[in-house]
Amino acid sequence: AQSVTQLGSHVSVSEGALVLLRCNYSSSVPPYLFWYVQYPNQGLQLLLKYTTGATLVKGINGFEAEFKKSETSFHLTKPSAHMSDAAEYFCAVNLNTPLVFGKGTRLSVIA
Amino acid sequence: DTEVTQTPKHLVMGMTNKKSLKCEQHMGHRAMYWYKQKAKKPPELMFVYSYEKLSINESVPSRFSPECPNSSLLNLHLHALQPEDSALYLCASSPPGGDTQYFGPGTRLTVL
Repeated sequence: AQSVTQLGSHVSVSEGALVLLRCNYSSSVPPYLFWYVQYPNQGLQLLLKYTTGATLVKGINGFEAEFKKSETSFHLTKPSAHMSDAAEYFCAVNLNTPLVFGKGTRLSVIA
Repeated sequence: DTEVTQTPKHLVMGMTNKKSLKCEQHMGHRAMYWYKQKAKKPPELMFVYSYEKLSINESVPSRFSPECPNSSLLNLHLHALQPEDSALYLCASSPPGGDTQYFGPGTRLTVL
């Protein structure tokens, strides 16, 4: 069975600082991996995804993530946080099954 | 058209009411999904339709009744709901053989 663990339910960074949101997955074979962002009272927006190929994936809004098979990780990063990045972030995995979500990480950005 | 739309945006209903949520996409996607999301939690899968046929029902109570009239439309019929059913209901779709789900903005449901 697949599962996703997001380390840290809440991460707080200063505006302009590095954003690092952690995601580890459990799967017998490399799955497809996704990061979604959810702003208050809105749906989920796809930030980026890894399926096959290049392990460093670039997404929207300056975010990127790197698939590391040896570490079973897919951490999300952004070099410089902006106030508008404050939101809930979900890591998700699937491999021939419906999406399995992590519990989410709430990102706060301090001015 | 690259989006999933949901109506209504907000819905307040009593426990004896019958209402429906609507989801629409015109991206040619052949899988459509209903999720329920409580505050500060990830979405929970309720139903999956694949090529207009119900393929997954995650043991959802019968007071929730999904319907997929055609490849672009997905409904969720609600009857005799409980206050604990209050949540954000999200619809999503994915392309044939595809792995990526695209979500709508959700319907905020309040059951009084």
